[in-house]
Amino acid sequence: QQQVKQSPQSLIVQKGGISIINCAYENTAFDYFPWYQQFPGKGPALLIAIRPDVSEKKEGRFTISFNKSAKQFSLHIMDSQPGDSATYFCAASGDDYKLSFGAGTTVTVRA
Amino acid sequence: EPEVTQTPSHQVTQMGQEVILRCVPISNHLYFYWYRQILGQKVEFLVSFYNNEISEKSEIFDDQFSVERPDGSNFTLKIRSTKLEDSAMYFCASTGGGQRQKLFFGSGTQLSVL
Repeated sequence: QQQVKQSPQSLIVQKGGISIINCAYENTAFDYFPWYQQFPGKGPALLIAIRPDVSEKKEGRFTISFNKSAKQFSLHIMDSQPGDSATYFCAASGDDYKLSFGAGTTVTVRA
Repeated sequence: EPEVTQTPSHQVTQMGQEVILRCVPISNHLYFYWYRQILGQKVEFLVSFYNNEISEKSEIFDDQFSVERPDGSNFTLKIRSTKLEDSAMYFCASTGGGQRQKLFFGSGTQLSVL
């Protein structure tokens, strides 16, 4: 059962542009929605997270938008930089604290 | 900043051999996890561990797998008889009691079964 669906699989953006990654979930018991950033050869690192009681959370250039009724959430990377080139995973968990990951999006920022 | 450390970074083994992957979680964390990522696929939950026992395990975590916290700092994943399909990157993660959903991951062990 694919509990978290992520798209696109990859995207290329120019430096200074906006990267948008979308995720949809099925399990209404999920109550925590993090985004992880992964560089080659490294483990996933928590980037930003949101709970369903808010519709948006912003940390620096990274923003999560959350639509509870549609069971969707997205990551926006504003003013994308070459150092943002990485694989981004959305995830979700409930009261079992077990993360279900999306398939990942490889973001390439061209200088 | 405290981090989860994993050793070795790469492990090559022959099919049927036993391997032990080692992790040192963040020192004040109480909950420990193993996840794996087959090349090109999503990160998958294997097992969670708390208070010296398994809290939950996935279908992947069959009788060939076991976990142990042999002392106050290490957390290990043992695969008794490796199969080709066990080849993957294995990530250890830990979290504290205060923000239990905020998992910190190690850099992983790349396991190659030949």
